[in-house]
Amino acid sequence: AQSVAQPEDQVNVAEGNPLTVKCTYSVSGNPYLFWYVQYPNRGLQFLLKYITGDNLVKGSYGFEAEFNKSQTSFHLKKPSALVSDSALYFCAVRDRVTDSWGKLQFGAGTQVVVTP
Amino acid sequence: ETGVTQSPTHLIKTRGQQVTLRCSSQSGHNTVSWYQQALGQGPQFIFQYYREEENGRGNFPPRFSGLQFPNYSSELNVNALELDDSALYLCASAPGLESSYEQYFGPGTRLTVT
Repeated sequence: AQSVAQPEDQVNVAEGNPLTVKCTYSVSGNPYLFWYVQYPNRGLQFLLKYITGDNLVKGSYGFEAEFNKSQTSFHLKKPSALVSDSALYFCAVRDRVTDSWGKLQFGAGTQVVVTP
Repeated sequence: ETGVTQSPTHLIKTRGQQVTLRCSSQSGHNTVSWYQQALGQGPQFIFQYYREEENGRGNFPPRFSGLQFPNYSSELNVNALELDDSALYLCASAPGLESSYEQYFGPGTRLTVT
C-alpha cells in the first residue's frame, strides 16, 4: 500500500524568505511524485512532478522539489516566498508498478502562510 | 485549450436523496478520475474512467457510481446520500492511462448533505 505524509499542518514564513514544505512517502515499488496547490474554493493546480532522472525538479511559479530516495522524501521548496504563495499544498504519490492506472494518493495537505 | 469544468458549483441535498455531478474533461483528454475531498483532508480517489469503462476504484461503496460519455465527459452519481458525503468533489482529467501523466483538476462541486 502506498501512503504520503506531510508532517506539518501549517508553515509560516515571511515574504522573501525561503519556503520548504515537507513530504515523505511509502510505496512498494518506485514512485511517481507530484505537488499540487489549492487556493480557497478552487480545485487543485499542478506544480511539478518527479518521474525519473535528475533528483531536482523545477516547476511552475518558481517552485522546485528534491527527490531523495534514501530518505523517501520529496520536499517542495521556493527560494523567496511571496504573499501570493499562501495556499494549501498537497503532495501525492503513485506507485508506477502497482498503479498503472489513475489513483493518486494524497497527503493531508500543508497550509502555507506567507506574511508581508 | 479548455480546462476541466464541473457543474454545479454548489449543491445542497437531503439525506437519502440522490445526486449527479458533471465534469467536462480538458480538450484531448480521454481519462477522468473523481476524488472526494472532505473538509481539512486531502482528496480521496473514488474511481477512474478510461474510454467509457471504469478502470479502477478506490474504497467507496457501490452507491457511488459513474459514467463516461463518448466525448469523454463524465458523471458521478451518489445514491442514498449520507451526512458524511458532504465534501468537495473533484474531477481530474489526463491524456491517457500512463501513470506518469499529471492530472488536471476542475474547480470542484461543493456538496452539502443535511
